[in-house]
Amino acid sequence: QKEVEQDPGPLSVPEGAIVSLNCTYSNSAFQYFMWYRQYSRKGPELLMYTYSSGNKEDGRFTAQVDKSSKYISLFIRDSQPSDSATYLCAMSGMSSGTYKYIFGTGTRLKVLA
Amino acid sequence: NAGVTQTPKFQVLKTGQSMTLQCAQDMNHEYMSWYRQDPGMGLRLIHYSVGAGITDQGEVPNGYNVSRSTTEDFPLRLLSAAPSQTSVYFCASSYSVRLGYPEAFFGQGTRLTVV
Repeated sequence: QKEVEQDPGPLSVPEGAIVSLNCTYSNSAFQYFMWYRQYSRKGPELLMYTYSSGNKEDGRFTAQVDKSSKYISLFIRDSQPSDSATYLCAMSGMSSGTYKYIFGTGTRLKVLA
Repeated sequence: NAGVTQTPKFQVLKTGQSMTLQCAQDMNHEYMSWYRQDPGMGLRLIHYSVGAGITDQGEVPNGYNVSRSTTEDFPLRLLSAAPSQTSVYFCASSYSVRLGYPEAFFGQGTRLTVV
């Protein structure tokens, strides 16, 4: 079983829609949760960064963490064609004396004009 | 303000050849790392460094060497290239991941093909 699971998509939505992207994880040691955006042939770009459970909002983006369910989400409001990219979740923490930083495989999002 | 700079952007190697992928950052970050990205596998950590003179292995270190003689530079060496090392390689840097800072800055990647 992978430590982090993420649906690869692709996910196609019309412009203006609310997008929900999700990851599940199995290691309860993870404490920090990140979302990255990666455009084609570019490096990942850090979007959101949260510690432990709860919500964090930044403009049109909201990151949500539910540690009891081991489930994290990224919501994009009023989606734009420029949001079309691959979104990667990542999480980190100490596990069995080892520091881990694990990425999901990414969800491809396409926002249609 | 260049951020994280990787060279080269593209490279084709023959099996058995060696090469060095360069990575430099100008933000005085203590933490640097190398990842490879393969379809369906996500980003996997190869090696990382928490400061000059200190390196450690990540999830997939076999076939790669690193060194960190300065804060700015973190080269990745392929000792004897194999087709399984065909991938896109990313260098990243952060103020300090171990203090909870995320992997904040990524380079643009090096696309490596081993034939």
